[in-house]
Amino acid sequence: DVKVTQSSRYLVKRTGEKVFLECVQDMDHENMFWYRQDPGLGLRLIYFSYDVKMKEKGDIPEGYSVSREKKERFSLILESASTNQTSMYLCASSAPGQTYEQYFGPGTRLTVT
Amino acid sequence: AQSVSQHNHHVILSEAASLELGCNYSYGGTVNLFWYVQYPGQHLQLLLKYFSGDPLVKGIKGFEAEFIKSKFSFNLRKPSVQWSDTAEYFCAVNAKAGTALIFGKGTTLSVSS
Repeated sequence: DVKVTQSSRYLVKRTGEKVFLECVQDMDHENMFWYRQDPGLGLRLIYFSYDVKMKEKGDIPEGYSVSREKKERFSLILESASTNQTSMYLCASSAPGQTYEQYFGPGTRLTVT
Repeated sequence: AQSVSQHNHHVILSEAASLELGCNYSYGGTVNLFWYVQYPGQHLQLLLKYFSGDPLVKGIKGFEAEFIKSKFSFNLRKPSVQWSDTAEYFCAVNAKAGTALIFGKGTTLSVSS
């Protein structure tokens, strides 16, 4: 089975801190994605990457950056955390092949105080 | 731009009732369609998917969905719900394999025993 893991299930940070959220997948997938999930808004795409060192902005990239130095790892960075970034962050991966399915990690619930 | 609309924000049913959750998308070309489910405290997982072929697709746990191209719809159905179906359900679409998904805002299903 595909496994997508995220470094933390729960995280509490202070306003202005730099925050790193890590995601690792073990299926050699080319594509990786970061979404945030908010009640009543569903999932919204922040950034995605289709190869090492490649990245594309999603719908809500402001206040975020990403890093993909290795194929299996995709990091989301909050340069200066703000309270409106309190949310559930979901990582996903997929292979550009026949199934097109995205596999999700368990999520990181980030609270910025 | 693509968008996905889920008709119901919160659905409350008794066990054994039939379920239909509406999903409409806006995109004129070929699409891949998905329903994901998130059980309380668990990560997002795939219920079923449609890429091509038979417009009636069957997924896990007795769920099915019907793709009606003329109506841009992909409604989720289950003839008889169980208490364990209590979860949040997300419809999603993408226009190209391996690219990011566009999610609806989700429907919360509450099933009483």
